[in-house]
This record gives sequence, structure tokens and C-alpha cells, in this order.
Amino acid sequence: DQQVKQNSPSLSVQEGRISILNCDYTNSMFDYFLWYKKYPAEGPTFLISISSIKDKNEDGRFTVFLNKSAKHLSLHIVPSQPGDSAVYFCASTNTGNQFYFGTGTSLTVIP
Amino acid sequence: NAGVMQNPRHLVRRRGQEARLRCSPMKGHSHVYWYRQLPEEGLKFMVYLQKENIIDESGMPKERFSAEFPKEGPSILRIQQVVRGDSAAYFCASSREGNYGYTFGSGTRLTVV
Repeated sequence: DQQVKQNSPSLSVQEGRISILNCDYTNSMFDYFLWYKKYPAEGPTFLISISSIKDKNEDGRFTVFLNKSAKHLSLHIVPSQPGDSAVYFCASTNTGNQFYFGTGTSLTVIP
Repeated sequence: NAGVMQNPRHLVRRRGQEARLRCSPMKGHSHVYWYRQLPEEGLKFMVYLQKENIIDESGMPKERFSAEFPKEGPSILRIQQVVRGDSAAYFCASSREGNYGYTFGSGTRLTVV
């Protein structure tokens, strides 16, 4: 039962352009959402989060948008840089005890 | 200020052997979480522990898997009688009490041959 879905396994973007990564969830009880970035052979690194009382959170080049009615989450990276190339996971929770992760989107930023 | 330390980084076991994975949380973190990532999949929650207590083990397989977080020392994820399907990356994360901000370790990659 995949409660968090990332339907795009991969995405390629030119350096300097915007990267948009999408995530859908099914559980309307989720109240906290996060994005993690993962390089090969490393653990996921926290990137940005948003609670369900907000619809947007911005941190530098990274912005997360939350559309609760559509149960949709997106991460915008602008401008994209080659160092952003990694696998991005979205995750959701309603208890804090466990997070439900998507299957990840592999982002490649082309110089 | 060391992050979450997991060891070993790589572990090879033959079918039927036991695997022990260790996780030392960040200093000041009293909550530990174990996740497993199978090939081509996302991370799946296994268990959430605080010192000497299992808080939520709803993601743990019913047999062969156990976890502990003793008063002293690292958290241990133990897999008995490993099978090929246990081959995966096992990630540990830690957090402060009431903080949703996990910090993950670099993982242990278990290969069962």
C-alpha cells in the first residue's frame, strides 16, 4: 500500500532552469511533509519541510508547495545546479513515529 | 559533532546466518528509527525506539527481525537466518524528542549470498 507516490522515476533539467519534482499522497490525515535528497552510497539528507497549515515554504533555491485538496506536493529548485543531481524523496507523516516515503525521483542537472 | 553512525557500511552474510546492524544516534538524540530500502523502492519504516523501549514496530517483519536500543550503547537491528530477500540498504535515523527532523546515517548495505 503505497501512500506516497512519486510517479516520475527520473528528470533531466538544464543548468539554470527550474526543476519541478512532484509527489502525491493518499492519506488525508498526513499533516507534515518533507523532502530528502540522497546521493549514492549515502543516507538521505533533509532538504525542506512543510506542515499542513501552510501551502508554501521557501528556503533559498528550494520551495515546497502543498495542495491539500489535490493531495499533491511539489518541490521547485531554481536555478538548478549540477550539484543538485541526486535522488529526491518526498515523505509524509501524521504521527511523527514513522514517515511514508515515495520511491524517489532521480534528478540530473545537465551543465 | 558526529552525525548518526552506522556500522558496518557493508555486510555480506550467507543464507541462514545472522546479521547485526548497529546505529549510534546523534548526540542529544533519544529517538531512533530504522528504515529499509529494497532495490528500486523507497524507504520503508521498520521500527521506532527510544532508550530501552520499542515505541512502534508496525513495519517489522513478524519473524526473524528484532531491534533494541539499550540504556548504554548503540541501537541494534538483528536479522536471524537471513534470506536473499533481506538484501537491502538499512538506514537508521535519530531525532530529538518531539522533533520531526530526522537525521539519517549512511546506511548498512546487507548482501545475502
